[in-house]
Amino acid sequence: DTGVSQDPRHKITKRGQNVTFRCDPISEHNRLYWYRQTLGQGPEFLTYFQNEAQLEKSRLLSDRFSAERPKGSFSTLEIQRTEQGDSAMYLCASSFGDRREETQYFGPGTRLLVL
Amino acid sequence: AQTVTQSQPEMSVQEAETVTLSCTYDTSENNYYLFWYKQPPSRQMILVIRQEAYKQQNATENRFSVNFQKAAKSFSLKISDSQLGDTAMYFCAFMKQGGSNYKLTFGKGTLLTVNP
Repeated sequence: DTGVSQDPRHKITKRGQNVTFRCDPISEHNRLYWYRQTLGQGPEFLTYFQNEAQLEKSRLLSDRFSAERPKGSFSTLEIQRTEQGDSAMYLCASSFGDRREETQYFGPGTRLLVL
Repeated sequence: AQTVTQSQPEMSVQEAETVTLSCTYDTSENNYYLFWYKQPPSRQMILVIRQEAYKQQNATENRFSVNFQKAAKSFSLKISDSQLGDTAMYFCAFMKQGGSNYKLTFGKGTLLTVNP
C-alpha cells in the first residue's frame, strides 16, 4: 500500500489549453474525492465517486471540468480551455467507504499554474 | 450548509511547550465527524485526529488531543510537547454522517510555527 498518488505533481500551462490530472487511490478504497485548494484557503470539494459512479458535483465544477473513474479504479480530472483562475492545488482523497471508517486519505496534490 | 471557522490565521510556540488551536463550526446536523488535518510545507495533508460527534469522550492521539464541546460547536486541538516537525498548516474539517456524500468542509487553516 503506497497511499494515494497523483500525477503530475506540477503543471504549467497556457491559458486556453486543456490539462488532465490523474489520481490513484488506495487500492481497497471505493470512494474517491477531488478538492481544490487555493493559496491561503482550505480545500474545497469538487466532486465525488462511489466506485465508478460520480455521485455529486460542486457548483465550483464548471462545465469546463470533467472527471471520470473508469472501472472504479484511478480517476482523471480534465480542465478544458484553462483560465488563470484555475490556478490552484488539486487534491485527491480516497476512503474505504465503510460507514464505520470514513476517514479520507489525501494524495500529494497537483499544483496547476495557468499563465 | 456547514461552515467551519478557524479564527487564528497564524500561531507560534516554543519547542516542548503546549499550544491550542481553535475551531468552531455551524451545522444543523446531529450526527457528524470532526477532523484535524496537518499539511506540512510542500507536503501532503495527513490526518492528525478525528472525533465522532456521538462520543462524549475527547479523542487523543499521543501528543494530540481535542476538546470537543458539542453544544458550543467547538473543536479545539491541543498539541503537547511541541516538536519542530509539528510546524505546518492545520485544518479543521467537518463531515456529515449518513446520506450519500461524505465530503469534507474545511476551515481556512492555522499556520503553526514551532520555534527552537
